[in-house]
Amino acid sequence: ETGVTQTPRHLVMGMTNKKSLKCEQHLGHNAMYWYKQSAKKPLELMFVYSLEERVENNSVPSRFSPECPNSSHLFLHLHTLQPEDSALYLCASSQEGGINYGYTFGSGTRLTVV
Amino acid sequence: QQQVKQSPQSLIVQKGGISIINCAYENTAFDYFPWYQQFPGKGPALLIAIRPDVSEKKEGRFTISFNKSAKQFSLHIMDSQPGDSATYFCAASMPREKLTFGTGTRLTIIP
Repeated sequence: ETGVTQTPRHLVMGMTNKKSLKCEQHLGHNAMYWYKQSAKKPLELMFVYSLEERVENNSVPSRFSPECPNSSHLFLHLHTLQPEDSALYLCASSQEGGINYGYTFGSGTRLTVV
Repeated sequence: QQQVKQSPQSLIVQKGGISIINCAYENTAFDYFPWYQQFPGKGPALLIAIRPDVSEKKEGRFTISFNKSAKQFSLHIMDSQPGDSATYFCAASMPREKLTFGTGTRLTIIP
C-alpha cells in the first residue's frame, strides 16, 4: 500500500457510542494531522503530531481524543459525540524539518452522528 | 496575518474556457504556496506548488501565477474540462511550519 490510508471510509454512530478512526501512512513522513471538513466550511485543523508528540491541539472538545503510537499510525478516538460533529475527517502526513513538500491526505472518514 | 483569503467561493466555467482562482496573503514569511484539488468523497490532493523565487509555474493545463509585491497568487486552468470539476484549495506556509489553507473554491465545468 502507498500513501495515506484511512479506515473506515464511512461511520454512523449514536451519541453514546465509542468508536475510533484509523490512519496509516506509508510515506516515511514524521508528522501527521487530523482535519475536520464540514459542508461549506474551511478545513479545520484539529491535531498535529510531530515525531509522535502532540504539538498542537486547536481547542478541540475532549470528546475527540487522538493517539499516535508511532510515526506511521494515527488514531482519533470518539465518544459521546454530538450531531454537529458529523463531517468528513481527514488525516494527512508530511515530512517536517526540511523543504516543504506539502501534505498527503487520506480519502477521509465520513462520520454521521445520529 | 496567518490567513489566506481565497476567491471566488464558487465558479462556473464553460468547457474549453479558462478557470481562474485567486488567493491573497499577508504574511511575507510564507515561502511555499501549493494548490490542492479535491473530488467528492476524496481527500485533497496536491496539484501544483510554487515558491516565491519564480513568478509562474506551469504543469500541463495548470499554471500558478505569483505576484510577490501584491502578495497574491492564482491558479489558472486552461482549456477547462468537465473532469476538472472539483473543489480547489490554495495554501501557504512558512519554513518548517504547518500549512494555512484557503476556504476553497467549488469549480464546475459545464459542457
